[in-house]
Amino acid sequence: LAKTTQPISMDSYEGQEVNITCSHNNIATNDYITWYQQFPSQGPRFIIQGYKTKVTNEVASLFIPADRKSSTLSLPRVSLSDTAVYYCLVGDMFNDYKLSFGAGTTVTVRA
Amino acid sequence: EAGVAQSPRYKIIEKRQSVAFWCNPISGHATLYWYQQILGQGPKLLIQFQNNGVVDDSQLPKDRFSAERLKGVDSTLKIQPAKLEDSAVYLCASSGQLSNEQFFGPGTRLTVL
Repeated sequence: LAKTTQPISMDSYEGQEVNITCSHNNIATNDYITWYQQFPSQGPRFIIQGYKTKVTNEVASLFIPADRKSSTLSLPRVSLSDTAVYYCLVGDMFNDYKLSFGAGTTVTVRA
Repeated sequence: EAGVAQSPRYKIIEKRQSVAFWCNPISGHATLYWYQQILGQGPKLLIQFQNNGVVDDSQLPKDRFSAERLKGVDSTLKIQPAKLEDSAVYLCASSGQLSNEQFFGPGTRLTVL
């Protein structure tokens, strides 16, 4: 499983865009990048997944450069309810896919 | 659709006692996972089932932890005997055949005194 590195915490204000960058220098050819969100007293929740370039859904965007050694989760116009821990995970989704969670990034949104 | 169900939500026991947690995955999901999440850390995979077979239990402390999924549906995780360091939230998750997205339950918060 590729090791990931992401900031421990980030602060933001309502209405701003939050970008969380994750480093995964030893990502393998078959690995996908997945982000989960976890609120206090809840289990993690899938946000977005991608392999290369850019992926966008109703919640977030995921930017992956050509070398795939890093990725950036972008949360547009955050609100107080986006305060959570965000986990970046890398793994082979087609072969015995497992999730290996790090400590995640605690995002705090202030009014 | 109904989500992953877990019970109990909270449990307090003394060290050396036994405890069991129950998980009912989303209907039709073949893969079931148990995670341990210690306060301030990310979840750690304990065991993964594919139907009623174990795919990975490499991080399960087998001297005290056991898990089963007898009919390929719901699952039970047991700790016997519990230690202080077992205090954590135990999360169950499931995923379907067509996607590796994991759906997590609310977890069981275990406190060992």
